[in-house]
Amino acid sequence: GAVVSQHPSRVICKSGTSVKIECRSLDFQATTMFWYRQFPKQSLMLMATSNEGSKATYEQGVEKDKFLINHASLTLSTLTVTSAHPEDSSFYICSAAAGGQNEQFFGPGTRLTVL
Amino acid sequence: AQSVTQPDIHITVSEGASLELRCNYSYGATPYLFWYVQSPGQGLQLLLKYFSGDTLVQGIKGFEAEFKRSQSSFNLRKPSVHWSDAAEYFCAVAAGDYKLSFGAGTTVTVRA
Repeated sequence: GAVVSQHPSRVICKSGTSVKIECRSLDFQATTMFWYRQFPKQSLMLMATSNEGSKATYEQGVEKDKFLINHASLTLSTLTVTSAHPEDSSFYICSAAAGGQNEQFFGPGTRLTVL
Repeated sequence: AQSVTQPDIHITVSEGASLELRCNYSYGATPYLFWYVQSPGQGLQLLLKYFSGDTLVQGIKGFEAEFKRSQSSFNLRKPSVHWSDAAEYFCAVAAGDYKLSFGAGTTVTVRA
């Protein structure tokens, strides 16, 4: 159990366009979802935490108007990279946690390339 | 705030040899500790976790880790590595708010 999916797995877009990434918990209700960013050969950096039905909490240095996060249901969170630029190219990974649980379950990641 | 240090950036080990990856954490209270493995271009897979109880934790794929409070460490071990163990390994610590702080990672290369 505890499967998290992400869609798409890979996306290439032009500079200035917006890209939406979906994160779904397939077999459990995720009260909290997390979005991470990972640059090549580096660790995961937490971007934001979202609770279902609430506004996301962004980590210091993350632009909330650029990285829009929506957590409208207990099984779906979306990350929209608005007006993407080449420096936004990265590997984006989501994770989900059920209420009262101290374990996060990770999605397979989305590779974003902005040309 | 919690933090994690993985002192070894890269480790090369022969197939069949033992492996130990070091992890030190900084956190004021009892931490929740995790080890994850990541293959290239993939997400993270949980190897094992420590919340409380027995300080020697068994995980998947033959891995184990030992929590040592006195040393603030949670080192990962495997008695005999397989070529498929070549990957990136991340140690992480969580506080009560579920937020994970990751170490920088250790790349494991397995030579034949």
